[in-house]
Amino acid sequence: DQQVKQNSPSLSVQEGRISILNCDYTNSMFDYFLWYKKYPAEGPTFLISISSIKDKNEDGRFTVFLNKSAKHLSLHIVPSQPGDSAVYFCAARDSGTYKYIFGTGTRLKVLA
Amino acid sequence: EAGVAQSPRYKIIEKRQSVAFWCNPISGHATLYWYQQILGQGPKLLIQFQNNGVVDDSQLPKDRFSAERLKGVDSTLKIQPAKLEDSAVYLCASSSNIAVLSSYEQYFGPGTRLTVT
Repeated sequence: DQQVKQNSPSLSVQEGRISILNCDYTNSMFDYFLWYKKYPAEGPTFLISISSIKDKNEDGRFTVFLNKSAKHLSLHIVPSQPGDSAVYFCAARDSGTYKYIFGTGTRLKVLA
Repeated sequence: EAGVAQSPRYKIIEKRQSVAFWCNPISGHATLYWYQQILGQGPKLLIQFQNNGVVDDSQLPKDRFSAERLKGVDSTLKIQPAKLEDSAVYLCASSSNIAVLSSYEQYFGPGTRLTVT
């Protein structure tokens, strides 16, 4: 039972263009959604988050959008840079258990 | 601020052997998590501590896995005996306090890559 799904295993984007990474969820009890970035041989690093009561959060080149009715969130990176090439994980926190559920990740490749 | 420390970084063992991983969370962080990440999948929570008490261990295979967090600081995760399917990266993470609504950010260590042959 996958409560958090990232249906695109990989994505390639030209440098300077927009990268859009998608995430779907099924549990209405999630109160926070987070995006993590992971480079090889390193642990995931926190990138940006959004509360379930918001629909948008922006931090520099990174914006996360939340559509609660569709149970969908997306991460936009504009403009994309080669250093953004990494695996991106979507995660959600259950408000009852404080447990984090992760998606399977999307590998982003930004082409110079 | 020092990050989450984990050791060893890599470990290769034969099946049926035992292994232990160590984690030192960020100073002052009350909540500590152990995750298992199998290749191609997202991290899966094994156990979550709040100080030195267990909050959730529902996905910990208790017949072979054990974890402790003595004194509410460092933690160890042990596997005994190991199976081939335990090959994965074991990640430790910490956050300040799950009881504080704003402390939802987790900070991860570099992980321990375990290979069971």
